[in-house]
Amino acid sequence: ILNVEQSPQSLHVQEGDSTNFTCSFPSSNFYALHWYRWETAKSPEALFVMTLNGDEKKKGRISATLNTKEGYSYLYIKGSQPEDSATYLCALDSGGGADGLTFGKGTHLIIQP
Amino acid sequence: NAGVTQTPKFRILKIGQSMTLQCAQDMNHNYMYWYRQDPGMGLKLIYYSVGAGITDKGEVPNGYNVSRSTTEDFPLRLELAAPSQTSVYFCASSYRGGPGQGNYGYTFGSGTRLTVV
Repeated sequence: ILNVEQSPQSLHVQEGDSTNFTCSFPSSNFYALHWYRWETAKSPEALFVMTLNGDEKKKGRISATLNTKEGYSYLYIKGSQPEDSATYLCALDSGGGADGLTFGKGTHLIIQP
Repeated sequence: NAGVTQTPKFRILKIGQSMTLQCAQDMNHNYMYWYRQDPGMGLKLIYYSVGAGITDKGEVPNGYNVSRSTTEDFPLRLELAAPSQTSVYFCASSYRGGPGQGNYGYTFGSGTRLTVV
């Protein structure tokens, strides 16, 4: 069973501040790394799928980087807004065929006005 | 474009009862998945399917069955409900091409909150 770790578990950030959090995974089992945004009472929504070492992806104020050699990815949010409050999940695709993603437990982000 | 549709949204079952959670997608995705979400835990894979007629077990398959008779539908069956199956269930689908082709994120359904009493 693969171990995908996310930290911190939860995070309170002041509106307007920038923040980041981490996903770590076993680098020997890497095919792709996914990030999802999960708002309360909704379903997870895909943010990024990253496959190459050094990849950097951006969507509005949210960006992510990937280091496959050391097994980590960072998600950054610039100028946090209340609507950014959500749980952010990362998930490892180990490429073992089609056996799904291994999800971390998420970072629960709360933006305080 | 409905995406992934899951029904029902909520259900309470008595121990030993059976039910089917329905999942349908209209995006012509080849891969479909069932996950469960328990408090304090990450999403755990129950079963998955790579195409019509093909299914396989995930990490936590005990107590569940699936079928995939069409590309669109992937129902999850609970035969003898147990309290340990109280959870939130998510169906998801994705398109996976061959080696060197694009890698796409999952589309999730809205979830089914199941309580077994």
